[in-house]
Amino acid sequence: ETGVTQTPRHLVMGMTNKKSLKCEQHLGHNAMYWYKQSAKKPLELMFVYSLEERVENNSVPSRFSPECPNSSHLFLHLHTLQPEDSALYLCASSQVHLTSGGPMDTQYFGPGTRLTVL
Amino acid sequence: KQEVTQIPAALSVPEGENLVLNCSFTDSAIYNLQWFRQDPGKGLTSLLLIQSSQREQTSGRLNASLDKSSGRSTLYIAASQPGDSATYLCAVLNSGYSTLTFGKGTMLLVSP
Repeated sequence: ETGVTQTPRHLVMGMTNKKSLKCEQHLGHNAMYWYKQSAKKPLELMFVYSLEERVENNSVPSRFSPECPNSSHLFLHLHTLQPEDSALYLCASSQVHLTSGGPMDTQYFGPGTRLTVL
Repeated sequence: KQEVTQIPAALSVPEGENLVLNCSFTDSAIYNLQWFRQDPGKGLTSLLLIQSSQREQTSGRLNASLDKSSGRSTLYIAASQPGDSATYLCAVLNSGYSTLTFGKGTMLLVSP
């Protein structure tokens, strides 16, 4: 496996279900991201993890809970979602250059998980 | 708050045409600007990355320019092909941290 992988690729769940999305990066990067892509809206950054610590949380509802157990894996735990949460959820990774004061490299994206909440 | 706008929202052209996609951003304090390609239902593929100190980048038939002071970037696609059909997204990496702000994209259809 190379690049950024995401599982599952498609997920249908009811509002009372609990599920998790998984992301794995094989690029040796030190930062990982969750994005949400809804129809006709720009990609929205949800969470950023740098060196396994959460550094950004863009006012995301608590029904989304991220977890980053190590630098290669990122999870998004879902519970009691709403139909408007249906979207494509994308994971990305990048290398953050801490000594230069900020990231300069591109982010590499996974194929996404298409989530449908009934 | 950074806002990124892409024009046009959709574009349909016959094969062989040269194209220009436009991107504008409101806050010029950026680290870099990137152009991505997204095929239907798929993730994003980075096409070109322009650092804030650069004016343009080229890759094959693609050329991206950056005018940081005016908050504009263009993606030029030469001799378009049906395989270029996709949504093209512009994103800026804001100074301060590693947050990308995306535009809504331009949906391109190149017909044979």
